[in-house]
Amino acid sequence: AQSVTQLGSHVSVSEGALVLLRCNYSSSVPPYLFWYVQYPNQGLQLLLKYTTGATLVKGINGFEAEFKKSETSFHLTKPSAHMSDAAEYFCAVRVYGGSQGNLIFGKGTKLSVKP
Amino acid sequence: DTGVSQDPRHKITKRGQNVTFRCDPISEHNRLYWYRQTLGQGPEFLTYFQNEAQLEKSRLLSDRFSAERPKGSFSTLEIQRTEQGDSAMYLCASSVSRDSSGWETQYFGPGTRLLVL
Repeated sequence: AQSVTQLGSHVSVSEGALVLLRCNYSSSVPPYLFWYVQYPNQGLQLLLKYTTGATLVKGINGFEAEFKKSETSFHLTKPSAHMSDAAEYFCAVRVYGGSQGNLIFGKGTKLSVKP
Repeated sequence: DTGVSQDPRHKITKRGQNVTFRCDPISEHNRLYWYRQTLGQGPEFLTYFQNEAQLEKSRLLSDRFSAERPKGSFSTLEIQRTEQGDSAMYLCASSVSRDSSGWETQYFGPGTRLLVL
């Protein structure tokens, strides 16, 4: 069975600082991984995804994530935080098997950006 | 492409009442998912349709919950005899089996926030 753990429910950074949001997954099959962002009272917007191939994945708004199989990690980074990055971020893994295709999400990390 | 839409965006109801939510997926998306998100948690899978067929249901989907997707287009999620524990954001997502990247990507709607008093 697949699962996702996001370390740190809250992360606070200063504007212009590095953003690092941690995600570890558990999967007995090659994982299919996602990062989504959720702004207050809104749905989820896809930031990036990893399927196969290049382990460094670039997404929207300057975010990127690196798939590290040996560490079972898929951490999200951005070199320089912007005030507009303040939101909640969810890491997810796709379920395999049968007709299932649903996502299993972590509990989320709320990112605050200080001026 | 207008994205996934959900209606209503907010619903306040009294315990014991029935509520129905609607989801309109991106056109030509054959897969449709319902998730529930409670405060401080990530979304949890409820049920999944491929075209009009409901193929998976989570154990979270008690017999008070029912979902339909007639004609494989929009979907409805009904909750009967609502309880305070049903208060949550209900999210809908749609996808195609394989998109231009060759893989499935789920696109989410804005959600319906339900408050049961």
